Amino acid sequence: KNEVEQSPQNLTAQEGEFITINCSYSVGISALHWLQQHPGGGIVSLFMLSSGKKKHGRLIATINIQEKHSSLHITASHPRDSAVYICAVGISGSARQLTFGSGTQLTVLP
Amino acid sequence: SAVISQKPSRDICQRGTSLTIQCQVDSQVTMMFWYRQQPGQSLTLIATANQGSEATYESGFVIDKFPISRPNLTFSTLTVSNMSPEDSSIYLCSVDRGSSGYTFGSGTRLTVV
Repeated sequence: KNEVEQSPQNLTAQEGEFITINCSYSVGISALHWLQQHPGGGIVSLFMLSSGKKKHGRLIATINIQEKHSSLHITASHPRDSAVYICAVGISGSARQLTFGSGTQLTVLP
Repeated sequence: SAVISQKPSRDICQRGTSLTIQCQVDSQVTMMFWYRQQPGQSLTLIATANQGSEATYESGFVIDKFPISRPNLTFSTLTVSNMSPEDSSIYLCSVDRGSSGYTFGSGTRLTVV
């Protein structure tokens, strides 16, 4: 079993829809990261969470430490949101590298 | 927050040759991480590069195949040696910005023919 599991693997939405991507992990973590990867391969860090909720524009990330679960929400989705969204965790007591989920390919149709 | 310039952005190489990927960070950082992303897969850590010491490689990756240099606190290179088609991947460098999260390079898309 992977230490970080994401769902769904693929998601297609219509423009304007509310989108949720889920991430579950099975290890103790120091922080959880949501990343966005565009087709060219570059990765942008969206959020780093250790508790609670963060919001940036139309993006909201939440984490429940007790349940070892995080969600990334996109409100009023737009075609430019189409990308791969990756959940990654820093494992407690480990060196500072990240362990990655398999990613969610999001396609938002106009 | 740190900005990383990664070069080249893409390359097509002949099997048996080597490619060196560079990452330049606009501020000093202690650790840099090198990742590989094979087609359709998530990122896998190759090695952690500290300035002034040898890189620490993850299981399945060896220095002879992926030599890394870290001559100072703002620069690192990863070489993919004696390439085969199985090395076709995206290679990314990354730095830890502490409370600000991680910054990634723009990636190098390597195709080996």
